[in-house]
Amino acid sequence: AQSVTQLGSHVSVSEGALVLLRCNYSSSVPPYLFWYVQYPNQGLQLLLKYTTGATLVKGINGFEAEFKKSETSFHLTKPSAHMSDAAEYFCAVSAQTGGFKTIFGAGTRLFVKA
Amino acid sequence: ETGVTQSPTHLIKTRGQQVTLRCSSQSGHNTVSWYQQALGQGPQFIFQYYREEENGRGNFPPRFSGLQFPNYSSELNVNALELDDSALYLCASSQSPGSEYNEQFFGPGTRLTVL
Repeated sequence: AQSVTQLGSHVSVSEGALVLLRCNYSSSVPPYLFWYVQYPNQGLQLLLKYTTGATLVKGINGFEAEFKKSETSFHLTKPSAHMSDAAEYFCAVSAQTGGFKTIFGAGTRLFVKA
Repeated sequence: ETGVTQSPTHLIKTRGQQVTLRCSSQSGHNTVSWYQQALGQGPQFIFQYYREEENGRGNFPPRFSGLQFPNYSSELNVNALELDDSALYLCASSQSPGSEYNEQFFGPGTRLTVL
């Protein structure tokens, strides 16, 4: 079975500061890991994903995440926050075990202060 | 290329009623997944349809059912509505299920309120 824990339901940063959103996962088989962003009244948009290969994954809008198997983590970072980054972020895990099923974390709301 | 669309955008029902939500998948996609997102929570997987057959189901009771049509659009039906069914229902389409290259494209959702 797979599960996802996002540490911190709310994160607040100043514009230009580092963004760090934490995600830990549990999976009995090699996982596929995702980060999605959700703006108000919209669906989810894929930021980046890890499947196999390079553990540092670069996504859209300057975001990146590093898969660390030993720590079962997949934290999302961005060197410099922009006001437009304010949104809800979801970490998700899936694995090919009897069908494709994506498990989402509870989400982290990012606030960006001017 | 048209993205994933859902209808209606908002819906208000009363307890015990039945509701049907609709989803049009993105062009070229044959797989549709449905998720329930309660307020302040992450999306929870309801079920997935692949080529008109159910291809996996989450921990939802049988009163949640679905259909996929030959054009790969899909419906989510919920019978005997309960207050806890109030949520944003998201539909996502993909080119295939279970591939590591699979990416799900989400629609904007249907906001269901049960009174």
